[in-house]
Amino acid sequence: EVQLVESGGGLVQPGGSLRLSCAASGFTFSSYWMHWVRQPPGKGLVWVSRIDSDGRSTTYADSVKGRFTISRDNAKNTLYLQMNSLRAEDTAVYYCASYRGDYWGQGTLVTVSS
Amino acid sequence: DIQMTQSPSSLSASVGDRVTITCQASHDIDNYLNWYQQKPGKAPKLLIYDASNLETGVPSRFSGSGSGTDFIFTISSLQPEDIATYFCQQYDNVPLTFGQGTRLEIK
Repeated sequence: EVQLVESGGGLVQPGGSLRLSCAASGFTFSSYWMHWVRQPPGKGLVWVSRIDSDGRSTTYADSVKGRFTISRDNAKNTLYLQMNSLRAEDTAVYYCASYRGDYWGQGTLVTVSS
Repeated sequence: DIQMTQSPSSLSASVGDRVTITCQASHDIDNYLNWYQQKPGKAPKLLIYDASNLETGVPSRFSGSGSGTDFIFTISSLQPEDIATYFCQQYDNVPLTFGQGTRLEIK
């Protein structure tokens, strides 16, 4: 059974940092491009970042460029999102997903508030 | 960035009705379009990929069509379990972009 399990969300103050993790199982993680998608409360889906299968190529939405870093450890079957300089507008449920869109995690909530 | 304009934003229909949602891309995206279903508190679920291909395990009452800039998603006979929000998404170019969603309700 395919599983993507996100962790690391929580409440953080503006300007703070969080690192999200996404543990993959049930498929050959190292062969898949992956991405992070977020969903602000009550709103639509917004793409955040993507990474190729070996971690050499990454791309970011303009809204997070320079603040967020996507990475992966294929030996641990884990995808990461390091989020720095967080802002109130980063508040959202963050999903990891396969690039094709066929596998999604359950999401982890990040709340940026003082 | 490619803008995805989805309509309607909400829709009320009866069980058994045929339901249609449209998605228009601001640039030609060939057939690089997904359709997702999202239920409250859950992750999106892929229904249609490459504009018209049914994902494995998805009921055949769901279908998609279109190419270029204009796309259509159809539920041939609405079922109570289809109550959800539906999103289109283009993957022709980064940033990947989504339509704003269509909230489907039972009349």
